Amino acid sequence: EVRLVQSGAELRKPGESLRISCRGSGYSFRTYWIAWVRQMPGKGLEWMGIIFPGDSDTRYSPSLQGQFTISVDKSINTAYLEWSSVKASDTAIYYCARHIGIAGTGWFDPWGQGTLVTVSS
Amino acid sequence: EVVLTQSPGTLSLSPGERATLSCRASQSIGSRYLAWYQQKPGQAPRLLISDVSDRATGIPNRFSGSGSGTDFTLTITRLEPEDFAVYYCHQYGGAPLSFGGGTKVEI
Repeated sequence: EVRLVQSGAELRKPGESLRISCRGSGYSFRTYWIAWVRQMPGKGLEWMGIIFPGDSDTRYSPSLQGQFTISVDKSINTAYLEWSSVKASDTAIYYCARHIGIAGTGWFDPWGQGTLVTVSS
Repeated sequence: EVVLTQSPGTLSLSPGERATLSCRASQSIGSRYLAWYQQKPGQAPRLLISDVSDRATGIPNRFSGSGSGTDFTLTITRLEPEDFAVYYCHQYGGAPLSFGGGTKVEI
C-alpha cells in the first residue's frame, strides 16, 4: 500500500523555526515528485511546491517562493517543509502528496494525513 | 496563471439526487489536464478523477468527469450519504498548477 505519513501537530511562537516531515512507503520514493499543499483555516487548497527525491530538483509556487524551504532525504524516504521564522499567517494544515507526473504536470495521489501548524504568541 | 472558478459554492441536495459541479478555467488547459478531489471534514483530500475523466482506483462509477478547454464538470449520478463533502478541481495544464475554490455538497 502506498502511504505518506506526516509528522504531528506543531505549536510555535512567531519568529521560531519549524520543520515538518512526510515519509513515503510502499513505492519507489525517489522516482515520484512529492508536493506540499497548504490549507488555511476554513479555506481551500493552495499548492506550495514540489520536489523530486531522486535529485532534489525543487519547484516553488511563484506567489509563495521565499517563505519556506522544501527539502528531501531520500535515504530515509522523507520530504520536509521548513520555515526559518514562522508568522501567524503560517497557521494552516499542510499536506504532502505524491505527484503523479513530471514537475507539476500531473495529479496528486495519495495524500498524507496532514500536519496542523499553529503559530501564536 | 490559470484561475479555476468552481460553481456553485454550495449545492444542497438529497441522497439519490444528481449532483453537477462546474469548474471553469480562466484560459484553456486542453482536453486532459484536470483532476477532481473529494475532502470530508477532518480528512485529507482524496483523488477522484484525473485527466478529466479517469476514475481513480476504488472510486465508484457514480462519479464521472467531462469537459475540455475551459469548462469541466464533475457529475455524481445518485448521491450516497458518504458523498456529502467538499470537491476541488485542480489544473495541471498551465504553470503554476492551481486549485479551484471548492464546491460544498450538503444535505
